[in-house]
Amino acid sequence: SQTIHQWPATLVQPVGSPLSLECTVEGTSNPNLYWYRQAAGRGLQLLFYSVGIGQISSEVPQNLSASRPQDRQFILSSKKLLLSDSGFYLCAWGGVAGAPSYEQYFGPGTRLTVT
Amino acid sequence: GENVEQHPSTLSVQEGDSAVIKCTYSDSASNYFPWYKQELGKGPQLIIDIRSNVGEKKDQRIAVTLNKTAKHFSLHITETQPEDSAVYFCAASIYGSARQLTFGSGTQLTVLP
Repeated sequence: SQTIHQWPATLVQPVGSPLSLECTVEGTSNPNLYWYRQAAGRGLQLLFYSVGIGQISSEVPQNLSASRPQDRQFILSSKKLLLSDSGFYLCAWGGVAGAPSYEQYFGPGTRLTVT
Repeated sequence: GENVEQHPSTLSVQEGDSAVIKCTYSDSASNYFPWYKQELGKGPQLIIDIRSNVGEKKDQRIAVTLNKTAKHFSLHITETQPEDSAVYFCAASIYGSARQLTFGSGTQLTVLP
């Protein structure tokens, strides 16, 4: 079965510091991968998605970036965090590249607080 | 692009009663409609979904209905239990698009014992 991991689980960072959040998927190859952000009491906002290594699509312009250095690894980064970057960051996978899938499955999330 | 609206934002019911959450979508090309349950501090969990070729789907105490003409779909939870308390999200997407699910804003369901 497939498993999705995220770390760290929680993170407190000062404004202006860099960020690196990691997501890995086990049990599948060539997954479509997604980064979402959830502000407190709000819905899920898609930030980036990837259909393969090195293929990143950005949904919302901002100071965040994403990379996919390996097939099952998806990284969310920032060079300088803003207060508005605080939130709950969720990684998800759904289907495989070239094979459409309906479902998306979420990881446990990373709670980021920018102080 | 797709826009999904979800109502109500909060819902309180007595244990054993039914709960209904409704969503509307704007893109008539959308053909997949999942529902997620999110417990505090956790990632959303897919609980039921429906595709546009059916009007209703049921799984034990939960069911989803879809009205493609009116572009709305609903989640029904019967015989609610305290462990049903959570935030529920609806979403819509188009099969074959790796792009994304478009989510509603969520409903905080509280089941009172």
